[in-house]
Amino acid sequence: AQRVTQPEKLLSVFKGAPVELKCNYSYSGSPELFWYVQYSRQRLQLLLRHISRESIKGFTADLNKGETSFHLKKPFAQEEDSAMYYCALRGTQGGSEKLVFGKGTKLTVNP
Amino acid sequence: KAGVTQTPRYLIKTRGQQVTLSCSPISGHRSVSWYQQTPGQGLQFLFEYFSETQRNKGNFPGRFSGRQFSNSRSEMNVSTLELGDSALYLCASSFRLAVYNEQFFGPGTRLTVL
Repeated sequence: AQRVTQPEKLLSVFKGAPVELKCNYSYSGSPELFWYVQYSRQRLQLLLRHISRESIKGFTADLNKGETSFHLKKPFAQEEDSAMYYCALRGTQGGSEKLVFGKGTKLTVNP
Repeated sequence: KAGVTQTPRYLIKTRGQQVTLSCSPISGHRSVSWYQQTPGQGLQFLFEYFSETQRNKGNFPGRFSGRQFSNSRSEMNVSTLELGDSALYLCASSFRLAVYNEQFFGPGTRLTVL
């Protein structure tokens, strides 16, 4: 079964503090992992994907297959990072576009 | 280029009615997926279409159906509406059905069932 777990529903940090949003997954093969972000009154958009191994807006995420995790990190949070963050998984068999999402973490960065 | 568009943006229906939601993908995109977003269940996959064929279906009752037209536009239909169908329905499009392919989401249609 495909499952994505984001253990923190809410996360609050101060500006300049490090932030880590946790994501664990369950999948029998090698999935593709994503982080999506939804800013207030905006549509859901892709933040980053494990395959690209890049840093977007200062965020990075490393796929740890041993721990089946894909945590999102940023060393210095900014107020504009406040948003809903969703971790998502896509299976790599069958060519399906289906994404399995976690329940999301609402990040609030306080001034 | 224009993003994914969904119409209508807001809809109010009563129990027992049916509803049709529309999604226009980004020009050139041939794959369209639908998701239901609720506070309790989060984002759940409904179905996906590619080249007018349903490729995958989520765990929803048969009251939920969809289709895709030759211009890649897609519609989803919910018959015999229930209160629990109140949700934000999101559509996403991508260029093709393939791994490592980015999906782009529309703004959603907010359905309220009274």
